[in-house]
Amino acid sequence: DIVMTQSPDSLAVSLGERATINCKSSQSLLSSSNNKNYLRWYQQKPGQPPKVLLSWASARESGVPDRFSGSGSGTEFTLTISSLQAEDVAVYYCLQYYGAPLTFGGGTKVEI
Amino acid sequence: EVQLVESGGGLVQPGGSLRLSCGASGFTFSSDWMSWVRQAPGKGLEWVANIKDDGSEKYYVDSVKGRFTISRDNAKNSVYLQMNSLRIDDTAVYYCVTGFSLTYWGQGTLVTVSS
Repeated sequence: DIVMTQSPDSLAVSLGERATINCKSSQSLLSSSNNKNYLRWYQQKPGQPPKVLLSWASARESGVPDRFSGSGSGTEFTLTISSLQAEDVAVYYCLQYYGAPLTFGGGTKVEI
Repeated sequence: EVQLVESGGGLVQPGGSLRLSCGASGFTFSSDWMSWVRQAPGKGLEWVANIKDDGSEKYYVDSVKGRFTISRDNAKNSVYLQMNSLRIDDTAVYYCVTGFSLTYWGQGTLVTVSS
């Protein structure tokens, strides 16, 4: 099974400042057949289901603000919120969908 | 608009059974994988199982193998999770989710295993 290790567990950032979340996988998530990384980022607010922010490690979903960006390849990935807004307070998860069993990172709680 | 509505959660004793259902609309159900993901109270997300569009492939997390069974009825746009031999650590909100890569999520149904 692919193990996803997310860091930090929690993060306090001032409004307007940058937040950076890391995710490492125990195996490469880069497919040689299509040169894509099978890594997604989710945002979960209290009492709500998770919402997809980024797919293929760096492709923003429709409607996601451009302050959210993803980078990395292979086994190391980063989610960056360039200028934190109050509505970004949430828990963020990475997910590998390279193969079953799908596995999530442990989550990062972002606070103001 | 994609809609997923889970039902069937509730309180059950250890060793008991429950069957979760998920009704789907707003997309071509018969052409997509479907998945179940759970979240224990105050904890992170755990993928539980998924099933291919035609039901020919099914995968499970190790902790539920032999106890849980995922199935689907494409005529009814529904996916199910039969949960047997329930344990206290199966207590969680169970989400129905579209796709192999977990795109659209329902609101979830709470399963509580307790004596």
